[in-house]
Amino acid sequence: KQEVTQIPAALSVPEGENLVLNCSFTDSAIYNLQWFRQDPGKGLTSLLLIQSSQREQTSGRLNASLDKSSGRSTLYIAASQPGDSATYLCAQAGTASKLTFGTGTRLQVTL
Amino acid sequence: NAGVMQNPRHLVRRRGQEARLRCSPMKGHSHVYWYRQLPEEGLKFMVYLQKENIIDESGMPKERFSAEFPKEGPSILRIQQVVRGDSAAYFCATGGETQYFGPGTRLLVL
Repeated sequence: KQEVTQIPAALSVPEGENLVLNCSFTDSAIYNLQWFRQDPGKGLTSLLLIQSSQREQTSGRLNASLDKSSGRSTLYIAASQPGDSATYLCAQAGTASKLTFGTGTRLQVTL
Repeated sequence: NAGVMQNPRHLVRRRGQEARLRCSPMKGHSHVYWYRQLPEEGLKFMVYLQKENIIDESGMPKERFSAEFPKEGPSILRIQQVVRGDSAAYFCATGGETQYFGPGTRLLVL
């Protein structure tokens, strides 16, 4: 059974700090790993997708890495801003692109 | 993800009633995934459908829940005889490797 774990569950940082969110997964036969952002009461927005053959992806201030051997992915956010406050979800894709989600990290960036 | 449409956005039902949730995928996509997000929990896969076919329903509860994606019209997730434990946000998604999610339907069972 695939399991995805995210730590920490919640994180509060002052504006401008760099931060790392962690995601671990149990199924090494990963197809890809995707990071999402979810704002309260809203749907999910895809941030980054890393193929199983890749080690990292970057988009703006976001960088995601993937280490299949250790079953870990990290999402690095540089120079955090209050607008980054949201819940961040990682999801592992298995067969047929079915996603297994972690429970998320609730991030608050304070002024 | 603006291309994935879900309605209604909010739905209130009394115990024992039926709930019907609709999802229209992005143009050109003929498949949908349904996920459920219970309060304070992560999203859980429910079912994967293509037009007129259920491909994977391994996450669907055995009773009261059904899903369809007809040749014409949206995909429908149907919950019969709702109970309070069905209160959750229900999301549909479409896409290939990158999945695009709709805004969700928030079901509240009184």
